[in-house]
Amino acid sequence: GNSVTQMEGPVTLSEEAFLTINCTYTATGYPSLFWYVQYPGEGLQLLLKATKADDKGSNKGFEATYRKETTSFHLEKGSVQVSDSAVYFCALSEGSGSARQLTFGSGTQLTVLP
Amino acid sequence: NAGVTQTPKFQVLKTGQSMTLQCAQDMNHNSMYWYRQDPGMGLRLIYYSASEGTTDKGEVPNGYNVSRLNKREFSLRLESAAPSQTSVYFCASLDSNYGYTFGSGTRLTVV
Repeated sequence: GNSVTQMEGPVTLSEEAFLTINCTYTATGYPSLFWYVQYPGEGLQLLLKATKADDKGSNKGFEATYRKETTSFHLEKGSVQVSDSAVYFCALSEGSGSARQLTFGSGTQLTVLP
Repeated sequence: NAGVTQTPKFQVLKTGQSMTLQCAQDMNHNSMYWYRQDPGMGLRLIYYSASEGTTDKGEVPNGYNVSRLNKREFSLRLESAAPSQTSVYFCASLDSNYGYTFGSGTRLTVV
């Protein structure tokens, strides 16, 4: 079956530091890949996505590249801010049409200190 | 605002009690989902509905039932709550570009 493995947290960084959160996946076909962010007390919000190999998703200074050869989708940001403190989930989606389902990693808690 | 609305936001149940979690979306999406979120385990799919009138089991369906009442509403029912069902529950819907929209969650405690 499908699975997503994320680096374990928590991760604590100082403001303006470089961020990498590793994500690797196992899938039988050609999934779409996602990063979601969850702020305290809220639901998940889509941060970025990539639907095929070598695609780069980007949003709010975050980037991730779909690497089929290494089955990875690592999240990066060049300079984090305190407001980036949240839980980040890597996910994949397979299936067709309206039957698509998301498989999530376990989440990585990020804390950015001023 | 358009989106996914879940009620209630918080609930405490005694073991053996029943309750229904409500979810509604106003984006005319066909597919809807129920997930539970537990510490260190990410989100796990309980049930989903690919279209009005259809439902299917996900990874962890035991102890739950669902109803797709119409295109807008997808409810999750616990017939006899157990402490193992203490969790945060999220409803989501899927749009045509394969983007998922999540509700803000229901925090359920079973004592």
